Amino acid sequence: DAKTTQPNSMESNEEEPVHLPCNHSTISGTDYIHWYRQLPSQGPEYVIHGLTSNVNNRMASLAIAEDRKSSTLILHRATLRDAAVYYCILINNAGNMLTFGGGTRLMVKP
Amino acid sequence: NAGVMQNPRHLVRRRGQEARLRCSPMKGHSHVYWYRQLPEEGLKFMVYLQKENIIDESGMPKERFSAEFPKEGPSILRIQQVVRGDSAAYFCASSPDYTNEQFFGPGTRLTVL
Repeated sequence: DAKTTQPNSMESNEEEPVHLPCNHSTISGTDYIHWYRQLPSQGPEYVIHGLTSNVNNRMASLAIAEDRKSSTLILHRATLRDAAVYYCILINNAGNMLTFGGGTRLMVKP
Repeated sequence: NAGVMQNPRHLVRRRGQEARLRCSPMKGHSHVYWYRQLPEEGLKFMVYLQKENIIDESGMPKERFSAEFPKEGPSILRIQQVVRGDSAAYFCASSPDYTNEQFFGPGTRLTVL
């Protein structure tokens, strides 16, 4: 699977939007962009995924660049419970295992 | 619908003992994945199983580690003759098929004394 690059950490204020970037310049046409997050002392949790079009669900939005070389996970209103490590992962359409990179540690300030 | 269940949540073993970690996937899920997270590191894939079959074990250490997912019962990750370097959190995930999102369990934290 192609590699992703994310900032090590980001800070946000509670109730403000958060934009978490991910670069994946070597993405292939069949790679899906998945986002997971891991809260402290818990297992990872699926957040959202997409292929080409922007996606929305109850947790977040995923904005995918037109050339698909980057994407942004958007939390519309950060809460203290959103403090976690967020992982951007590429999975090809025949993939199965998740390859976790370092992720972005999101800190939310009250 | 109960989530992925793992037990025990915490396991302490002395060097040389065996560790057995259990994972019950979500109802209706026939795909199970095991990941390991060493202290202060990211998760690393170990093995992918379907009922009675190992599909991909490319992340499993060649010795002492084995995994199974029998027709009946939970998936088992077995570590023989544990060493201190095996101390980690072991997470199991399940999915209804290989293209869907994976649902993770709470993990088993193994400590080797």
